[in-house]
Amino acid sequence: SQKIEQNSEALNIQEGKTATLTCNYTNYSPAYLQWYRQDPGRGPVFLLLIRENEKEKRKERLKVTFDTTLKQSLFHITASQPADSATYLCAPEGGGSYIPTFGRGTSLIVHP
Amino acid sequence: DTAVSQTPKYLVTQMGNDKSIKCEQNLGHDTMYWYKQDSKKFLKIMFSYNNKELIINETVPNRFSPKSPDKAHLNLHINSLELGDSAVYFCASSLERSYEQYFGPGTRLTVT
Repeated sequence: SQKIEQNSEALNIQEGKTATLTCNYTNYSPAYLQWYRQDPGRGPVFLLLIRENEKEKRKERLKVTFDTTLKQSLFHITASQPADSATYLCAPEGGGSYIPTFGRGTSLIVHP
Repeated sequence: DTAVSQTPKYLVTQMGNDKSIKCEQNLGHDTMYWYKQDSKKFLKIMFSYNNKELIINETVPNRFSPKSPDKAHLNLHINSLELGDSAVYFCASSLERSYEQYFGPGTRLTVT
């Protein structure tokens, strides 16, 4: 069955450093992958979408890579700020349904 | 203007009751979704409608019934509520199935 894995432990980094979050998936080949941010008590907010024929996508301080051979996506936040502290959800397309399936998310904590 | 709205924000009720959660989007999107986020923060899709037609119906007890009176609305009715139904329910919409999703603020349901 399809499986999505994100680091279950919180990622703690110092302000100004680059945060790198990992999303691994198994047993299928998604046509695209999305990343969302979720703050406590709020709904997820869309950040970036990358398609299977794209290697990298950027938006301001955010960068996403998509390695279909490794079945992995990396999400980078450069020059991180305390305001970037949140849970980040990986959401690969659900194997033919064209609808994303969400991972459990990784909590990022940026320390001033 | 709120893009995706849900009512109520909080819902406390007793086991065995029937309740409804309403969702409206003013984005002109064709596809709407219901998700359940449990205490472990896992966001699981329940239903998806495209142009008022049910396209995704995950393994959800038939006590849960979605209703889409028009493209802008997707309501969730739950019969005979159980303790295990306690969770946060999110409504979302997207232009089409493979596009980014816009989430509502969530409805925290507590069954006592």
